[in-house]
Amino acid sequence: EDQVTQSPEALRLQEGESSSLNCSYTVSGLRGLFWYRQDPGKGPEFLFTLYSAGEEKEKERLKATLTKKESFLHITAPKPEDSATYLCAVQAGNTGFQKLVFGTGTRLLVSP
Amino acid sequence: DTAVSQTPKYLVTQMGNDKSIKCEQNLGHDTMYWYKQDSKKFLKIMFSYNNKELIINETVPNRFSPKSPDKAHLNLHINSLELGDSAVYFCASSINTGELFFGEGSRLTVL
Repeated sequence: EDQVTQSPEALRLQEGESSSLNCSYTVSGLRGLFWYRQDPGKGPEFLFTLYSAGEEKEKERLKATLTKKESFLHITAPKPEDSATYLCAVQAGNTGFQKLVFGTGTRLLVSP
Repeated sequence: DTAVSQTPKYLVTQMGNDKSIKCEQNLGHDTMYWYKQDSKKFLKIMFSYNNKELIINETVPNRFSPKSPDKAHLNLHINSLELGDSAVYFCASSINTGELFFGEGSRLTVL
């Protein structure tokens, strides 16, 4: 069964203190790995898609990387507005894009 | 302009009642979804429709019945509500990629 595990469950950083979030996955033939951001009381918002090991994507202070077993979301010099839950999801090789399997997320709190 | 809108935002009801949630997207996407997010924030797909056709039904009890009158709308009707149905239900749409656009969610509380 396809599985996604995210760690840590929660992370508290000071403004400017860089760190990384981890997403480990077990999937039969990865077709895509996705990162989303979810603010309290809102729906998830798409951030990145990664398709193959070695791929990297960047957006402002966020950089996502992918290996054959895990993905990292690196946050450089975070600001309080980066506080949110970050969700990772995978799409397996034997299903279409219609079925994403999500992890339970990492709750990030950035203090000024 | 809200891309994916769902109503109502909150529902509070008694066990055994029936309730509906409506969803509309104005993005021109072909694919729409219902996801359920439980109290531990685990987001799990329930249904997926592509051009009004049911593509995915993830072993959801048949008390849950989705309906897509056209490709811009996907509604969810729930019969005989149970305590365990309490969750946030998200509607989403996409152009058949993993980049989903989610609504703001409908929080269902069953008492």
